[in-house]
Amino acid sequence: DIQMTQSPSTLSASVGDRVTITCRASQSVSNYLAWYQQKPGKAPKLLISDASTLASGVPSRFSGHGSGTEFTLTISSLQPEDAATYYCQRYSSYLSAFGPGTKVAIK
Amino acid sequence: EVQLVQSGAEMKKPGESLKISCQGSGYTEYSFTSYWIGWVRQMPGKGLEWMGIIYPGDSDARYSPSFQGQVTMSVDTSINTAYLQWSSLEVSDSAMYYCARRIGSGCFDTWGQGTLVTVSS
Repeated sequence: DIQMTQSPSTLSASVGDRVTITCRASQSVSNYLAWYQQKPGKAPKLLISDASTLASGVPSRFSGHGSGTEFTLTISSLQPEDAATYYCQRYSSYLSAFGPGTKVAIK
Repeated sequence: EVQLVQSGAEMKKPGESLKISCQGSGYTEYSFTSYWIGWVRQMPGKGLEWMGIIYPGDSDARYSPSFQGQVTMSVDTSINTAYLQWSSLEVSDSAMYYCARRIGSGCFDTWGQGTLVTVSS
């Protein structure tokens, strides 16, 4: 079973800061990696699919990079509305799994 | 616009059965039967857990090992609805359950609003 980890588990940054979250897989998942944003009391929202493809309507300050076992989600200029928990998801086979999440707070 | 609308919150006792639903609408280019539907659990204050997926076209279902035998996924294509059911609930089944549409290689582009299941004696 492919295990997913995320770092950091929490972070606090100021508006305008560049923020990077890392997701690692215990073995290669090629580019079958998605990122989601979840705000309290809401369903998750797809941000990025296939490691780097921005979902429709997602602001361009979000970007994804990586392949194989290491992936990053970057917010180029953090905005107040970006306060949320971010999850990666690997889907390299029919069976899938989410990472444990990274909570992003605004200072 | 594709939408998934889930059934309302449920309050049950341990040992009771339950079936929650997820109805799709707004499918234009391809029909409801052409996309896998997935189920995701989120326990209170915790992260997302991938439970499994079902293909409405032929009811092929794939379960996470953690949920195999604990729940059953099904569909009714006549009403574009997917279901998640339990035969005997446990207190530990208390959680928010989301359905979502699986696209492409396997991520979820559209999510239901969630169904809160509370199991308490």
